[in-house]
Amino acid sequence: DQQVKQNSPSLSVQEGRISILNCDYTNSMFDYFLWYKKYPAEGPTFLISISSIKDKNEDGRFTVFLNKSAKHLSLHIVPSQPGDSAVYFCAATSGGGSEKLVFGKGTKLTVNP
Amino acid sequence: DTAVSQTPKYLVTQMGNDKSIKCEQNLGHDTMYWYKQDSKKFLKIMFSYNNKELIINETVPNRFSPKSPDKAHLNLHINSLELGDSAVYFCASSRRTGGTANEKLFFGSGTQLSVL
Repeated sequence: DQQVKQNSPSLSVQEGRISILNCDYTNSMFDYFLWYKKYPAEGPTFLISISSIKDKNEDGRFTVFLNKSAKHLSLHIVPSQPGDSAVYFCAATSGGGSEKLVFGKGTKLTVNP
Repeated sequence: DTAVSQTPKYLVTQMGNDKSIKCEQNLGHDTMYWYKQDSKKFLKIMFSYNNKELIINETVPNRFSPKSPDKAHLNLHINSLELGDSAVYFCASSRRTGGTANEKLFFGSGTQLSVL
């Protein structure tokens, strides 16, 4: 039972363009969402998060949008850079805390120079 | 000065063997975790420890036994290894805020376990 779904296993974009990574969730109790970025042979690193009381959170080139009614969130990267090439994991939790973080399968982003 | 370090990075072993993976964090965090990333690429929590105390044990076979000698270390011992144990195992840590573990996890670089 996949509570967090990233339906696109991969995405390829040109340098300078926008990258949009999508994530859907099924558990309406989720109230905090995170994106992690993972390079090969490294562990995931925290990128950006959003609480369910917001619909948008921005940090530099990275913006996360949350649509609670659609149970959907997306990560926008503008402008995309070759160094952004990595696997991006969406994660969600409910009731605060990371003991029950549920991760998606990840989307591999390739940014072409 | 790696924040969360785990060893070994690669582990190749025969079925039936017993092996351990070590993890140490120097971030001063109270909570540590073991995650498993299987062949389908899902990252799933296995165990969570807070101040050496087990908080979460997610339906993991009892062949897996975590050990936390202090809050900076969380080791994973696996008995009688099976083919299905082949995966990447990630250690992680987080700070505790207001009684709950902070959602922002810091991960180690992973241990690729291959059981032959």
